[in-house]
Amino acid sequence: DAKTTQPTSMDCAEGRAANLPCNHSTISGNEYVYWYRQIHSQGPQYIIHGLKNNETNEMASLIITEDRKSSTLILPHATLRDTAVYYCIVRVRWRDDKIIFGKGTRLHILP
Amino acid sequence: ETGVTQTPRHLVMGMTNKKSLKCEQHLGHNAMYWYKQSAKKPLELMFVYSLEERVENNSVPSRFSPECPNSSHLFLHLHTLQPEDSALYLCASSQGLAGNLWDEQYFGPGTRLTVT
Repeated sequence: DAKTTQPTSMDCAEGRAANLPCNHSTISGNEYVYWYRQIHSQGPQYIIHGLKNNETNEMASLIITEDRKSSTLILPHATLRDTAVYYCIVRVRWRDDKIIFGKGTRLHILP
Repeated sequence: ETGVTQTPRHLVMGMTNKKSLKCEQHLGHNAMYWYKQSAKKPLELMFVYSLEERVENNSVPSRFSPECPNSSHLFLHLHTLQPEDSALYLCASSQGLAGNLWDEQYFGPGTRLTVT
């Protein structure tokens, strides 16, 4: 049972920043926010995770609101290869807490 | 690109056949997973192995039989499958340190299975 809510689909123009929202209003204090994506016919790919501070890596940035009830994954300069389903997952780290994939957001990058 | 490989990439089998899916990870991880992804459904966890011991069996029918001979290899043995078992079968691995079994999973490309 996924603990997150994401829009079913989104469009973004190529070269622009793609901002993918995720609501996790019941998140508890020790739960991290994880993002994965799955490009068509491939296995999912880990993107980023965070607890309460904003995080950035070579793929994306993760912005978590101060109350931690929502977050946004930012792909700064979207390319056609970023077209994929993006999954937002919350789980407790440092414990055997499952990763449960929901339906995710289908992101279409438009040329 | 990925440190997790799966073979075969595509498999067509009849309901009376026996086949095996193979997964190999080259990342030095201790935990490995089998997932099933049916059309238009979320990923479903099937099995989890940590240090070659099965730690989770997610109510999977016995016609699916996993095997983990060492921490780098994971198999899924298939027999007398049904057409509804047609799906993408994904293998994943994670570092699987104590108390952090599920962190950052790395997935293989999957095996597209069709049962006729």
